[in-house]
Amino acid sequence: NAGVTQTPKFQVLKTGQSMTLQCAQDMNHNSMYWYRQDPGMGLRLIYYSASEGTTDKGEVPNGYNVSRLNKREFSLRLESAAPSQTSVYFCASRVGGGAGTQYFGPGTRLTVL
Amino acid sequence: SQQGEEDPQALSIQEGENATMNCSYKTSINNLQWYRQNSGRGLVHLILIRSNEREKHSGRLRVTLDTSKKSSSLLITASRAADTASYFCATDSPGLSFGAGTTVTVRA
Repeated sequence: NAGVTQTPKFQVLKTGQSMTLQCAQDMNHNSMYWYRQDPGMGLRLIYYSASEGTTDKGEVPNGYNVSRLNKREFSLRLESAAPSQTSVYFCASRVGGGAGTQYFGPGTRLTVL
Repeated sequence: SQQGEEDPQALSIQEGENATMNCSYKTSINNLQWYRQNSGRGLVHLILIRSNEREKHSGRLRVTLDTSKKSSSLLITASRAADTASYFCATDSPGLSFGAGTTVTVRA
């Protein structure tokens, strides 16, 4: 039982390049989330998927797209990376869309030059 | 915008001492959660307190909630070096809304 896994762990991009961050969970959770964490700040919600087949914007969705590929996988895509997107990205999941513990992945550290 | 705000921003204590940090939030909540983040790692859930609860314990952790003041506190008793981490409060909205955290350093 690996929990929440994220790939890659580290990535360096040039401005304008695109990439997809992958997230998978093996806990049969319905809801999945993408957050970003900037230095000295808490996490901010980018997008979430309350259940398979649905996605919704969070607090900071601009510049990102997501795909809930199936119940296990939720990917985050940067179509044209900008230096302002340099951050650590965390994926999380939980059983349902309501209240409850979220389980976090180890994070992807992204630098955009 | 971030819902929770932790206070203090940083805390340095001696091993064996207690650490207390506070969280204030802005809107009505169903529950409030506390998470820990070790440097460069993902967040780990510590405890969830529901809006109809006033106090909750888990091991060396004690959480209080005062919905009339929109505030919560986390107490870590008998701190250890392994408690060195950042601590965040979070509210549901529908994803979690975090404050900037309290960085706790426990000195041996």
